[in-house]
Amino acid sequence: SYELTQPPSLSVSPGQTANITCSGEKLGDKYACWYQQKPGQSPVVVIYQDTKRPPGIPERFSGSNSGNTATLTISGTQAMDEADYYCQAWDRTTGVVFGGGTKLTVL
Amino acid sequence: QVTLKESGPVLVKPTETLTLTCTVSGFSLNNARMGVSWIRQPPGKALEWLAHIFANDEKSYRTSLKSRLTISKDTSRSQVVLTMTNVDSVDTATYYCARIQGGFSQGLFDYWGQGILVTVSS
Repeated sequence: SYELTQPPSLSVSPGQTANITCSGEKLGDKYACWYQQKPGQSPVVVIYQDTKRPPGIPERFSGSNSGNTATLTISGTQAMDEADYYCQAWDRTTGVVFGGGTKLTVL
Repeated sequence: QVTLKESGPVLVKPTETLTLTCTVSGFSLNNARMGVSWIRQPPGKALEWLAHIFANDEKSYRTSLKSRLTISKDTSRSQVVLTMTNVDSVDTATYYCARIQGGFSQGLFDYWGQGILVTVSS
């Protein structure tokens, strides 16, 4: 079955750039999405189809996907960006796949 | 305004069947290239996709749970129903329904329900 792997945690200082990675076999051949989930809330999509940003999502959120790795980049990270982030892709055999999530801490 | 709302029991006993309903508004379940998924999240753990159903009634299930899950839709009532048989304590989780926009392979979950915490305990 298809799997996506994320680092469990990442810490950044306010104003720094956060790069959250998501690895999977030939992930670059698929579309990747990224979801932000704050405590007690439902997930919110921040990036879809690798690089697209839904309306209302700040420009500091961007994405890329190539080879075996998709990356969510948060430029000028703010305290409000502290959350869990999940990558997601579709696989013909497995269906919908989520990564294990990355807890972003803004110190 | 698109909304999804989960409903069902918050407490079920081991071996029982869990039935969850997702009532949607602001879009039609007949809308092409749209679908609804059920996704769960055990306490403190990651998101886990369970099943989805599209407007053309195409369905797909998580491989490890396929024998226990059934997803269906009632377009006239704007509802998507998920049943899970023979529940166990490991099925304790918050269950979300979410709209799929864009179809298989390029779709995204653009709207989510608030989730319902289901506890499996005797």
